[in-house]
Amino acid sequence: EVQLVESGGGLVQPGGSLRLSCAASGFTFSSYWMHWVRQTPGKGLVWVSRINRDGSSTTYGDSVKGRFTISRDNAKNTLYLQMNSLRAEDTAVYYCGRDRDPAVVDYWGQGTLVTVSS
Amino acid sequence: DIVMTQSPDSLAVSLGERATIDCKSSRSLLYSSNNKNYLAWYQQKPGQPPKLLIYWASTRESGVPDRFSGSGSGTDFTLTISSLQAEDVAVYFCQQYLSNPLTFGGGTKVEIK
Repeated sequence: EVQLVESGGGLVQPGGSLRLSCAASGFTFSSYWMHWVRQTPGKGLVWVSRINRDGSSTTYGDSVKGRFTISRDNAKNTLYLQMNSLRAEDTAVYYCGRDRDPAVVDYWGQGTLVTVSS
Repeated sequence: DIVMTQSPDSLAVSLGERATIDCKSSRSLLYSSNNKNYLAWYQQKPGQPPKLLIYWASTRESGVPDRFSGSGSGTDFTLTISSLQAEDVAVYFCQQYLSNPLTFGGGTKVEIK
């Protein structure tokens, strides 16, 4: 059974940093591209970032480019999202997702809540 | 960026009746090289993550009931629930995956009348 479990969310002050993790199991992690998608409470879905199988290629949404970094450790079956210079508008539930080629998210984690507030 | 616009924002349908959700993209999602539409539909129930229902505009994900169907091409797409069941109460999102950034529609909330 495919499982994705996010962790690392919490309350952080504006300008602060946070690193999210996503532990994957039930599939060959290194064979799949992976995504981060966020959802503002009560609002819609916004794609954040995507990484290829070996971590050599990454893409980002405009709102996080230059502040967030996606990475992965295939030996640990774990996806990461390093978030720097956080803003109030980054407050959201962050989901990791497995990519179904070309870029459909076929499995989603339960999400982790990030709150940016002073 | 490709803008995805869904309508209506919400709809209430009686049990057993048809529910129809529309999704429009700001440019064509039909890729001429393979004649495929890069459009997916997701279902999100309260307190849960989204679940993939349909991709390539009309291909049902494994395990998804056949009362869910997707149609359309180019810039205009539709998700149809042929006979609404109580467990179908959810928010439905469309998503384009033709180009980066991937973008989602604003969502349509489906309720029981």
